[in-house]
Amino acid sequence: GQNIDQPTEMTATEGAIVQINCTYQTSGFNGLFWYQQHAGEAPTFLSYNVLDGLEEKGRFSSFLSRSKGYSYLLLKELQMKDSASYLCAPEVNTNAGKSTFGDGTTLTVKP
Amino acid sequence: EAGVTQSPTHLIKTRGQQVTLRCSPISGHTSVYWYQQALGLGLQFLLWYDEGEERNRGNFPPRFSGRQFPNYSSELNVNALELEDSALYLCASSSDWPGQGYGYTFGSGTRLTVV
Repeated sequence: GQNIDQPTEMTATEGAIVQINCTYQTSGFNGLFWYQQHAGEAPTFLSYNVLDGLEEKGRFSSFLSRSKGYSYLLLKELQMKDSASYLCAPEVNTNAGKSTFGDGTTLTVKP
Repeated sequence: EAGVTQSPTHLIKTRGQQVTLRCSPISGHTSVYWYQQALGLGLQFLLWYDEGEERNRGNFPPRFSGRQFPNYSSELNVNALELEDSALYLCASSSDWPGQGYGYTFGSGTRLTVV
């Protein structure tokens, strides 16, 4: 099975930087997805890391350490619209299905 | 290109009834995944279909079932509805098997309320 741990809630100020951490334990690990989910909406793809290191994509960056079972999502220059749930989803390379999702971190951005 | 479409968007059913939810994947995607998301909780994996076959199912009772049609669209059936089945049911499609990193594209979901 898979064990995914990420903080339940975080609060940050508009314009600031926030880092959302995720630790995971899983067999057959292939890579890690981050998804964004606004309240009442479907999740949307943010990033995918398969190699160790930082992947930067505009205001969002994602980091992976395979040996430590650790990832983080870094959001810069926070905007009010970034208030959402952020889901960490390790991908396993087996026939068990593509991804199991963490419970998500609800980020609230305040003015 | 049309995204993943789900129907209906909202549904209210009585305990004990049966429900069928529908999903059409992105054109060219052969894999369809179903997830349940209860209010305020995470996504729980239900079922995975690929090329018309059930590839895996999550830890749900047998009254949750489904199928995938030759055009890759899919149905999720839930029998003998219980109050705790009230949730957002999300369908996602993908163009590949695990390990390729393409991720999911989700539909907007069906909000099921059991009263």
